[in-house]
Amino acid sequence: QKEVEQNSGPLSVPEGAIASLNCTYSDRGSQSFFWYRQYSGKSPELIMSIYSNGDKEDGRFTAQLNKASQYVSLLIRDSQPSDSATYLCAVNGNNNNDMRFGAGTRLTVKP
Amino acid sequence: ETGVTQTPRHLVMGMTNKKSLKCEQHLGHNAMYWYKQSAKKPLELMFVYNFKEQTENNSVPSRFSPECPNSSHLFLHLHTLQPEDSALYLCASSQDPRANYGYTFGSGTRLTVV
Repeated sequence: QKEVEQNSGPLSVPEGAIASLNCTYSDRGSQSFFWYRQYSGKSPELIMSIYSNGDKEDGRFTAQLNKASQYVSLLIRDSQPSDSATYLCAVNGNNNNDMRFGAGTRLTVKP
Repeated sequence: ETGVTQTPRHLVMGMTNKKSLKCEQHLGHNAMYWYKQSAKKPLELMFVYNFKEQTENNSVPSRFSPECPNSSHLFLHLHTLQPEDSALYLCASSQDPRANYGYTFGSGTRLTVV
């Protein structure tokens, strides 16, 4: 059974702090990894993708991938109240229609 | 218009009604998907269309019926739904069936079955 696991939260951090969101997956054959942000009442929006081990930075966001440990994370630096949302981790294999989603972590950034 | 457009945004229907959800993508993508999102649960894949051919029906009850007339349009026909079918229904598209660059989601239809 392919699974993607996330801590449901809520994760609460003060404004300006680093928020760390974690995700583990069970399928060792997974090839591509994504983070989506979903504001309450809205649809998921792709914010980061990562394909190889290591870090990938985009503005205040850093995605980290460790395939040996089957672990992918998202760091948000200088967190802002506008970052308050649910963050979905998605993991994709190398076949068609292979995308698996976690249930999401709810992040609250307090002013 | 750009992106993935879904209509209606909200829908309330009785258990004996028939309604349809519509999705349109303007991205030139070749794969389109219907997902169901219920509270505190992972996204549930319902149907997949690759190059307008249905390639997956993820054990979805027959009261949900998809239609893909071309690679830009996707419908979900609903009839005799149950209250437990109330959820957010999301349409998504990807450049290709492997979705190596992820999905683009529509804004969703919030469905309430009464």
